[in-house]
Amino acid sequence: NAGVTQTPKFQVLKTGQSMTLQCAQDMNHEYMSWYRQDPGMGLRLIHYSVGAGITDQGEVPNGYNVSRSTTEDFPLRLLSAAPSQTSVYFCASSYLRTSGSNTQYFGPGTRLTVL
Amino acid sequence: AQSVTQPDIHITVSEGASLELRCNYSYGATPYLFWYVQSPGQGLQLLLKYFSGDTLVQGIKGFEAEFKRSQSSFNLRKPSVHWSDAAEYFCAVGLPITGTASKLTFGTGTRLQVTL
Repeated sequence: NAGVTQTPKFQVLKTGQSMTLQCAQDMNHEYMSWYRQDPGMGLRLIHYSVGAGITDQGEVPNGYNVSRSTTEDFPLRLLSAAPSQTSVYFCASSYLRTSGSNTQYFGPGTRLTVL
Repeated sequence: AQSVTQPDIHITVSEGASLELRCNYSYGATPYLFWYVQSPGQGLQLLLKYFSGDTLVQGIKGFEAEFKRSQSSFNLRKPSVHWSDAAEYFCAVGLPITGTASKLTFGTGTRLQVTL
């Protein structure tokens, strides 16, 4: 059981380049989400999904696209990278239950630098 | 919109001393509340959570937190800190989406330094 995995761990892009950050989980979690972490600002929600084919925007969605074709995978796409997107990106997942706990499990993060 | 305030950016305590990290939240209904810990270069690990019921919540690694509705607070405590507790601690409030999944709003974090 690998939990939540993210690739790559580190990435350097030039302004205007595109890339996809990968996130996968093997816990059969329905809920998945992406956060970015910037110094002094905590983590902010970018996009989230409550199941395959269903996505929605979080607090800071501009400049990012997501899709959810399978339960396991939730990639985050940067279509045209900007220096303001330099950050550490975390993926998280949890069950959707009608009661009880909903612990969100976080991946190890991807550190992205946009030059 | 919900918000979370962690008023202490950085705290230093001696090993063996007690610890209290402060967290205040703003939310219109009964909140889901969480404390996460992040070691350098690592992801976030859940320490404890509050959904309902007993307002004193026990977590992993000897941590506990108390939900005080009247003060809109969810402070994290540990009676005796170990050097390995040095890390950054994040308080979060969850806005329910569906089922028990929630969108998390995080505080800005408190960095804990432990001196020997």
